[in-house]
Amino acid sequence: GQQVMQIPQYQHVQEGEDFTTYCNSSTTLSNIQWYKQRPGGHPVFLIQLVKSGEVKKQKRLTFQFGEAKKNSSLHITATQTTDVGTYFCLNNNDMRFGAGTRLTVKP
Amino acid sequence: NAGVTQTPKFQVLKTGQSMTLQCAQDMNHEYMSWYRQDPGMGLRLIHYSVGAGITDQGEVPNGYNVSRSTTEDFPLRLLSAAPSQTSVYFCASSVRGGVDGNTIYFGEGSWLTVV
Repeated sequence: GQQVMQIPQYQHVQEGEDFTTYCNSSTTLSNIQWYKQRPGGHPVFLIQLVKSGEVKKQKRLTFQFGEAKKNSSLHITATQTTDVGTYFCLNNNDMRFGAGTRLTVKP
Repeated sequence: NAGVTQTPKFQVLKTGQSMTLQCAQDMNHEYMSWYRQDPGMGLRLIHYSVGAGITDQGEVPNGYNVSRSTTEDFPLRLLSAAPSQTSVYFCASSVRGGVDGNTIYFGEGSWLTVV
């Protein structure tokens, strides 16, 4: 299996700024999941994307699945300190996670 | 409902010692797996199981053994610990992994240090 590539590795933002993390695969994904891990915690499921071009929203979080089902993104609007953590995407084809994007937010 | 339970939470081992990380889930999930997490490396799949009696290797299986005698339990064994195995270990389960895309539930993690 091919691990999904996730960028950036780190992102530091001022509270209120937006944040985006991207996952890219060289192969077509059947579906992709996103997880959030708070510092010192364990990954927790956020959402699953299945359809080509799918867009889902959870309050300030917007998840997108590319038309070719090879890439996905997570966008957070107006970050808050509660958004701090590492965000991972998961390729459900082989159960491999991206390396994660660690988000820190300055109040 | 306990979900996925891992023990111990913290462990310090000397090089060459053996130990078993325990994992149990009470959700009747078929799929169970072990990941290790190192700084900057994300979560890497060690071993997984699609059902009782069936196990398979993930990305980084060397130095680890697993067995799945029951649906509920999936222990991870380190036969001869090495400093390179210092990491945080997560056990996880789902109804069925892979293309079915079921949610993965994680245990709270086991912090292992090998000195």
